[in-house]
Amino acid sequence: EAGVAQSPRYKIIEKRQSVAFWCNPISGHATLYWYQQILGQGPKLLIQFQNNGVVDDSQLPKDRFSAERLKGVDSTLKIQPAKLEDSAVYLCASSQENGQPQHFGDGTRLSIL
Amino acid sequence: AQSVSQHNHHVILSEAASLELGCNYSYGGTVNLFWYVQYPGQHLQLLLKYFSGDPLVKGIKGFEAEFIKSKFSFNLRKPSVQWSDTAEYFCAVNAQGSARQLTFGSGTQLTVLP
Repeated sequence: EAGVAQSPRYKIIEKRQSVAFWCNPISGHATLYWYQQILGQGPKLLIQFQNNGVVDDSQLPKDRFSAERLKGVDSTLKIQPAKLEDSAVYLCASSQENGQPQHFGDGTRLSIL
Repeated sequence: AQSVSQHNHHVILSEAASLELGCNYSYGGTVNLFWYVQYPGQHLQLLLKYFSGDPLVKGIKGFEAEFIKSKFSFNLRKPSVQWSDTAEYFCAVNAQGSARQLTFGSGTQLTVLP
């Protein structure tokens, strides 16, 4: 089966600019996750969708981060405006249902100058 | 809130040595436990999982982990490592129930010397 697809793989922007990441989960997976992984740390959940509804966004900095999964399939994560501390790898994952093992994409490595 | 601790940030072993990576979690209720692995240049992938039943679980590539509820631990083991096991290993936990947010440890970088 095809894995979780993410784009772009790398992105370099200046602080205060905006950026968007895209994720296409494994076909049929109802649950989609966005994680932030800062260098030297484990992934931290930003937001979790069940189909097109938000299950958990308690750790999403909502003043600058937004995410949507309008048709319950692919998803976009946006940062506007970016700060230096947003430099990280942004991972997308999906699972058949909430609580089941997650399948991860390759991630987008974001560097803020 | 749940949390996960991985005791070793970097482990260096020679081929054929035995491996044990520590993982402890804090959560008062019933949990599901996972070990994920990230090989150089690849995405995170599931190594093994524990949901219920036999506390000794076997995963891919000869890895196993034992859930010890009284110690809140889920240590990863392999009797004889290979150079190809060089990777970063993450322990993760989610609570059984409605929330089920997956919480990761900070990871252990394993380097196996040929």
